[in-house]
Amino acid sequence: GAVVSQHPSRVICKSGTSVKIECRSLDFQATTMFWYRQFPKQSLMLMATSNEGSKATYEQGVEKDKFLINHASLTLSTLTVTSAHPEDSSFYICSATQGRGYTFGSGTRLTVV
Amino acid sequence: KQEVTQIPAALSVPEGENLVLNCSFTDSAIYNLQWFRQDPGKGLTSLLLIQSSQREQTSGRLNASLDKSSGRSTLYIAASQPGDSATYLCAVVHGGSQGNLIFGKGTKLSVKP
Repeated sequence: GAVVSQHPSRVICKSGTSVKIECRSLDFQATTMFWYRQFPKQSLMLMATSNEGSKATYEQGVEKDKFLINHASLTLSTLTVTSAHPEDSSFYICSATQGRGYTFGSGTRLTVV
Repeated sequence: KQEVTQIPAALSVPEGENLVLNCSFTDSAIYNLQWFRQDPGKGLTSLLLIQSSQREQTSGRLNASLDKSSGRSTLYIAASQPGDSATYLCAVVHGGSQGNLIFGKGTKLSVKP
């Protein structure tokens, strides 16, 4: 079955630094990848949608200069949290689709101290 | 604007019971509906995917139904086990095959031995 690998699973960083999260589709080409964020006891919230080779589409309220998304190939998308602050601490999940079902990564727990 | 609601927010049952989780959505123009399972601090596992033209899907002890016209879906879990304890998320795809998923807040299920 379709597998999406997301790394790292956990990261702790200092305030003001940048963190890159990778999302790879291992056995299929993902036409579209999505990045979600989940705060405790809240539902997953879509941050942005990325299509290979084009700029990501960000949801309202998500700062595109802070959350940089690169989708350079059909199997890799990266999310970079720039100048991270404690309020960016959250659980980030990516998903990928070929157009029918969705496969999710295992998530990244980001803690900014 | 599509909204997804899941009831109840939390559910505790003794082992062996059959149970039903409910999901409702406000806009019936969905492409498909998916049920996921999320273990604490982990990513999502897809359980069942129902296309908009389908009425139900079954996988093992799980059965999901879809009534698009009334904006409802149910996830039926038969003979519940402690290993079923997790948060169950319902999500709809709105806006075509490449549309993003819109999630409910989930139902936290606890199955007591």
